[in-house]
Amino acid sequence: GDSVTQMEGPVTLSEEAFLTINCTYTATGYPSLFWYVQYPGEGLQLLLKATKADDKGSNKGFEATYRKETTSFHLEKGSVQVSDSAVYFCALIGSSNTGKLIFGQGTTLQVKP
Amino acid sequence: GAGVSQSPSNKVTEKGKDVELRCDPISGHTALYWYRQSLGQGLEFLIYFQGNSAPDKSGLPSDRFSAERTGGSVSTLTIQRTQQEDSAVYLCASSPPNAPHEQFFGPGTRLTVL
Repeated sequence: GDSVTQMEGPVTLSEEAFLTINCTYTATGYPSLFWYVQYPGEGLQLLLKATKADDKGSNKGFEATYRKETTSFHLEKGSVQVSDSAVYFCALIGSSNTGKLIFGQGTTLQVKP
Repeated sequence: GAGVSQSPSNKVTEKGKDVELRCDPISGHTALYWYRQSLGQGLEFLIYFQGNSAPDKSGLPSDRFSAERTGGSVSTLTIQRTQQEDSAVYLCASSPPNAPHEQFFGPGTRLTVL
């Protein structure tokens, strides 16, 4: 079945450092890909998405590019802030498009001043 | 309301008791989803309602779990004879018509089974 694998955390960075969180997927056809974020004490929020190959999703300085050839959707940010500290989840909706989100295990990011 | 709401926010119960968790989706959203977030299993899909279609129950972990959606709006997730492994945060999400990619999540119900 479809699945998502993301790098294990926690990831600890200093403010203004470059962030990469790796995410790869296994799915038939062309899934839609997502990054969700869960800030401390808050609910899950959609951060960005890409629905077809080579699309780049972006929001709040974060970017991820849908790479069909490597089945990847790595999350990047050029300069992280303390306020980016959160748990990040990579997810997909399969090509059957039922809306069922399949999540990776989540990566905790801690940014220190 | 502005977003998806869930109640109660916290529920503590004893093993073997039944519990009901409620979800109020965003007005006008036709699809409603239940997920579970636990330390051991991460975020898992449980069940999905779309309009008047039969729900997709493929993620329900056992027959102790059931859900219904009345009038195409409010949904209730019921867990019968709760077990300690049912302890988790239960999340509800809804999405607008024809936009399954736009899921908005509620704050969740934290269930603790003693």
